[in-house]
Amino acid sequence: DTGVSQNPRHKITKRGQNVTFRCDPISEHNRLYWYRQTLGQGPEFLTYFQNEAQLEKSRLLSDRFSAERPKGSFSTLEIQRTEQGDSAMYLCASSPPDRDPSYGYTFGSGTRLTVV
Amino acid sequence: GQSLEQPSEVTAVEGAIVQINCTYQTSGFYGLSWYQQHDGGAPTFLSYNALDGLEETGRFSSFLSRSDSYGYLLLQELQMKDSASYFCAVSLGSTPLVFGKGTRLSVIA
Repeated sequence: DTGVSQNPRHKITKRGQNVTFRCDPISEHNRLYWYRQTLGQGPEFLTYFQNEAQLEKSRLLSDRFSAERPKGSFSTLEIQRTEQGDSAMYLCASSPPDRDPSYGYTFGSGTRLTVV
Repeated sequence: GQSLEQPSEVTAVEGAIVQINCTYQTSGFYGLSWYQQHDGGAPTFLSYNALDGLEETGRFSSFLSRSDSYGYLLLQELQMKDSASYFCAVSLGSTPLVFGKGTRLSVIA
């Protein structure tokens, strides 16, 4: 098991462009979470999936943000018409199917987005 | 809504003991978790408390008092590699974890 994998590690884009990030969770984990983290702050929840079902998306920062997990395996997070305020680290995490929080979340190393 | 409060920075000497506190205000509470994050790295899970009391895992211990809405992470025999940010996070049942803003721990010689 290679853990949670996120690609790309870094992304620099011009304001107004669309970007897409990918997350591959631990294979036996059916829950997948997206968080955003800015410098000096804790992870801020965006959305999460159980298998292919998106269970919460009201915390996505605007309608420019969307996420998918079409086959219940990998997930993508897309930001359309990027703005400088979108610059942050985007973290993906997964957790086991029994939802026992004592196992904790396994986070990926994140995608650092810089909007110029 | 939910809010978590933890000190923004703590400095401690190598070999010493340090305690990082976390107070929370939530509607619904299942447990308190702690995560460690080195600069540029991923948050990694340290511990989880659902019941009052102390949980020990090696040099790290975590404590919870549900009646006081308070917990802490205790790090013993501090090492330079413990310099990192530490986050408390609350579990509210099946909903995703809510994280605090983090405490940056600096271990000095």
